[in-house]
Amino acid sequence: AQSVTQPDIHITVSEGASLELRCNYSYGATPYLFWYVQSPGQGLQLLLKYFSGDTLVQGIKGFEAEFKRSQSSFNLRKPSVHWSDAAEYFCAVGTYSSASKIIFGSGTRLSIRP
Amino acid sequence: NAGVTQTPKFRVLKTGQSMTLLCAQDMNHEYMYWYRQDPGMGLRLIHYSVGEGTTAKGEVPDGYNVSRLKKQNFLLGLESAAPSQTSVYFCASSIRDGSGNQPQHFGDGTRLSIL
Repeated sequence: AQSVTQPDIHITVSEGASLELRCNYSYGATPYLFWYVQSPGQGLQLLLKYFSGDTLVQGIKGFEAEFKRSQSSFNLRKPSVHWSDAAEYFCAVGTYSSASKIIFGSGTRLSIRP
Repeated sequence: NAGVTQTPKFRVLKTGQSMTLLCAQDMNHEYMYWYRQDPGMGLRLIHYSVGEGTTAKGEVPDGYNVSRLKKQNFLLGLESAAPSQTSVYFCASSIRDGSGNQPQHFGDGTRLSIL
C-alpha cells in the first residue's frame, strides 16, 4: 500500500535562509507526487506536482522539488524563505485510482525566525 | 469564482446531536472528497464521490454519511456526534481525466467541536 512519510514535524529557519523539507514515499510504480501548503485557518493549496519527465519540478511561490527514485524521496526546497512562508506543508502521493484519491503525509510545520 | 466553499466554518455540538456539513464547488468537477484533519495525522479520507448520485467509503467512514444529489454539492452528515469526531473537516474537488490523478482543490475547512 502507498504511504508517505514526512520525518520532520516542526522546522524553524531564519528568514532569508534556504529550506529543505523531506518527504519519503512508498509505492511500487512511478508515483504521482504533490506538495501542498496550508496557511493557518486555510485550506490546502497546491504548490507543485510531479507526474513524469523532468525530476526537478518548479512550483509556485519560488518552491521546487526533486524526485529521486533511488531514494524514494520528493523533497521540497526554497533558496530563500520569507516570513510569509510560515505554514504547514504536506507531501502527498496519488494512488492511481479512478477517483484521483491522494494519501497525505502527516505534515511539517515551518516557522520562520526573524 | 469561489472554488470550493464549505459551510459552516465553525460549529459546536453536544454528544448525540446530528448535523450536516455542506460543500459546494463551482468548477464543474466530477470528483469530490471529505477529509478530516487531526493533529499529527495529516488528512484522512472519510468519503468521496466520483459523480452525481455516487458515493464511496474512504479510510475513516464510520459515523459519517454523505450524499451527492447535485454535481456541485457534497454533503457530510454526522448521525450522532461523538467527541472523537472533534476535528477540522475539509472538502475537496478534482476534475476527471484519463490519468485519474489530477490535483485536488480544497475549501477552507469546518472546525467542529463535540462536547
